[in-house]
Amino acid sequence: SAVISQKPSRDICQRGTSLTIQCQVDSQVTMMFWYRQQPGQSLTLIATANQGSEATYESGFVIDKFPISRPNLTFSTLTVSNMSPEDSSIYLCSVLTGLGNTIYFGEGSWLTVV
Amino acid sequence: AQSVAQPEDQVNVAEGNPLTVKCTYSVSGNPYLFWYVQYPNRGLQFLLKYITGDNLVKGSYGFEAEFNKSQTSFHLKKPSALVSDSALYFCAVRDRVGSNDYKLSFGAGTTVTVRA
Repeated sequence: SAVISQKPSRDICQRGTSLTIQCQVDSQVTMMFWYRQQPGQSLTLIATANQGSEATYESGFVIDKFPISRPNLTFSTLTVSNMSPEDSSIYLCSVLTGLGNTIYFGEGSWLTVV
Repeated sequence: AQSVAQPEDQVNVAEGNPLTVKCTYSVSGNPYLFWYVQYPNRGLQFLLKYITGDNLVKGSYGFEAEFNKSQTSFHLKKPSALVSDSALYFCAVRDRVGSNDYKLSFGAGTTVTVRA
C-alpha cells in the first residue's frame, strides 16, 4: 500500500474564504481521487485528479468550486472555494497504485466552516 | 450503474461473539468488491477485497467476507469480535464493465459497536 499524507488534518474556516488541501503520496501512483464525506454520510467522489491536465469531475461538482491540481505522480491539491457551512466535511485523498485494484485513502482533512 | 446497499445502520454484538455486517450490490457486469473501516476521527482503512477466484476472502484484523454472486452479496464477518472492532464499516463496489473507470460506489455505512 501507499502512505498518503494530507494537510491540513483539521481546520476551522470562515464563510466565504477558500482553503487548499494537499495530498502527498510516498510513491508514484496510477490515479488520484478526491472524495467528500459529509457529517454522518457516506463517501462521494468529487473528481479524478489527472496529471498535467484538468481533473474529471463527477456530477454535481464543478471546477470553479473545487479546483484540483496534480502536477506530478505523487502530489495533488484540492481547493474548496468560497466556503459555506454546507462545505463542512471530511475531504479524503485516495490513490490507486499500479500493483492492483485497491484504492487507498489518506487520513482525511476535517473542515468546519463557520 | 453501480450501487451498494448496507441494510443495517447499526450492529451491536458482545465481545467474543460472531460479527456480521451485510452488504448487497448492483452492477452491470462482474464486480470488484471492497470493505473499508473508519475508526473514530480517522480516515478509511482498507480491510479486504474480492476480485476473482475463491469466494471467501480473508483480510486484515481477522475479518473475512464471502462473495455470493447469486445473492449479489458480500457480507463481512469476524468469528469473534473485539471491543476494538467498534467502528464504521463501508462496503464499496466497482463495476468491471468499463474497467478504465475506477470510481468506487460506497454504501451508507454500518456502525459496529462491540460491548465488553
